[in-house]
Amino acid sequence: EPEVTQTPSHQVTQMGQEVILRCVPISNHLYFYWYRQILGQKVEFLVSFYNNEISEKSEIFDDQFSVERPDGSNFTLKIRSTKLEDSAMYFCASSEGVLAASSDTQYFGPGTRLTVL
Amino acid sequence: AQSVAQPEDQVNVAEGNPLTVKCTYSVSGNPYLFWYVQYPNRGLQFLLKYITGDNLVKGSYGFEAEFNKSQTSFHLKKPSALVSDSALYFCAVRDLSGGYNKLIFGAGTRLAVHP
Repeated sequence: EPEVTQTPSHQVTQMGQEVILRCVPISNHLYFYWYRQILGQKVEFLVSFYNNEISEKSEIFDDQFSVERPDGSNFTLKIRSTKLEDSAMYFCASSEGVLAASSDTQYFGPGTRLTVL
Repeated sequence: AQSVAQPEDQVNVAEGNPLTVKCTYSVSGNPYLFWYVQYPNRGLQFLLKYITGDNLVKGSYGFEAEFNKSQTSFHLKKPSALVSDSALYFCAVRDLSGGYNKLIFGAGTRLAVHP
């Protein structure tokens, strides 16, 4: 069964450093997403991406964040200058988006745990 | 604004007993509702969804959920719990206000099934 994969599983970085989190969505999917879950809190939407551009983003997704689909398979989330409060589990998801995107199921990857020291 | 509430932080059930994990929602318009499960050190796994049609939705691993429009609820159920069902369960609603993309999650309910 196709799965969303994410690398690395755990990333430790120093405050102020740039990090890139990588995701490989399910191959025939057209919509891609990033969510995050700060320890003990809800899963929060960050951004959605369709047709090589951001289709929606949350207030969390400020200028420090960017997303890219550098090739036909990868989808990345970059944090330019990490802060302590960026420490969280980051989940990538994808959905088919062929017909009514609102009824699509989003399939999630296993997550990348980001620790900012 | 769309929102979803899971009123119980934890649900404890004996193996073999029926289980219910509660979810209520608040949306404008028709709700698109989802249940996900998270096992330790794993991602969110899709269980089932309600889009339209029958109020009783069947999903993976023997789970089902009942959509109740008058009570604005979408409770997750299973007739006979297994120890392996112990995990964190999230209810989610599709936010149609800003677009058709994002899911809004509840806080999660930890299900503990005891032998």
